[in-house]
Amino acid sequence: AQRVTQPEKLLSVFKGAPVELKCNYSYSGSPELFWYVQYSRQRLQLLLRHISRESIKGFTADLNKGETSFHLKKPFAQEEDSAMYYCALLSGSRLTFGEGTQLTVNP
Amino acid sequence: DSGVTQTPKHLITATGQRVTLRCSPRSGDLSVYWYQQSLDQGLQFLIQYYNGEERAKGNILERFSAQQFPDLHSELNLSSLELGDSALYFCASSVGSSGQYEQYFGPGTRLTVT
Repeated sequence: AQRVTQPEKLLSVFKGAPVELKCNYSYSGSPELFWYVQYSRQRLQLLLRHISRESIKGFTADLNKGETSFHLKKPFAQEEDSAMYYCALLSGSRLTFGEGTQLTVNP
Repeated sequence: DSGVTQTPKHLITATGQRVTLRCSPRSGDLSVYWYQQSLDQGLQFLIQYYNGEERAKGNILERFSAQQFPDLHSELNLSSLELGDSALYFCASSVGSSGQYEQYFGPGTRLTVT
């Protein structure tokens, strides 16, 4: 069965510092992974997906099949990045989400 | 605003009762997904409908059922409610049936069972 693990429930950094939100997965097939973000009082929305290999709002994520990881990174965090971040794995049409990491960027 | 609407926003009911949650997808989207977010279980996929037909099933209890109507709105029915059913229920929609299509989430319905 597929599983997504986000080991950090809370992560706090200062503005301008690099940030990395960890995501590890367990899946027997070829994984397709996503990062979703939920800003305060807003709905969950897609941030990026690994197949598009794009950078959104300065965030990137690289799929590492050897380490079964899909960590989300940003070189210089901004206060507006404060939000709840969820890593998700696609199997068929269903998404399996990690427990989420609450990122706080302090001024 | 993703265009997905859910009603009601909040629902408070007693154990043993039955409730219906409603979701209207974005215009043009044929798939509707239901998720449950609780403190102990996190965000879990419940069920997917595509153009009126059940397409995928997740960790949905037998006490729960869903359907998608010809106008593509969907309802999630929760019966014989227990305290542990208290959660935020999200609906999402996408244009296609495959999970590769981006899912757009609604604001959720917060269910409190007392």
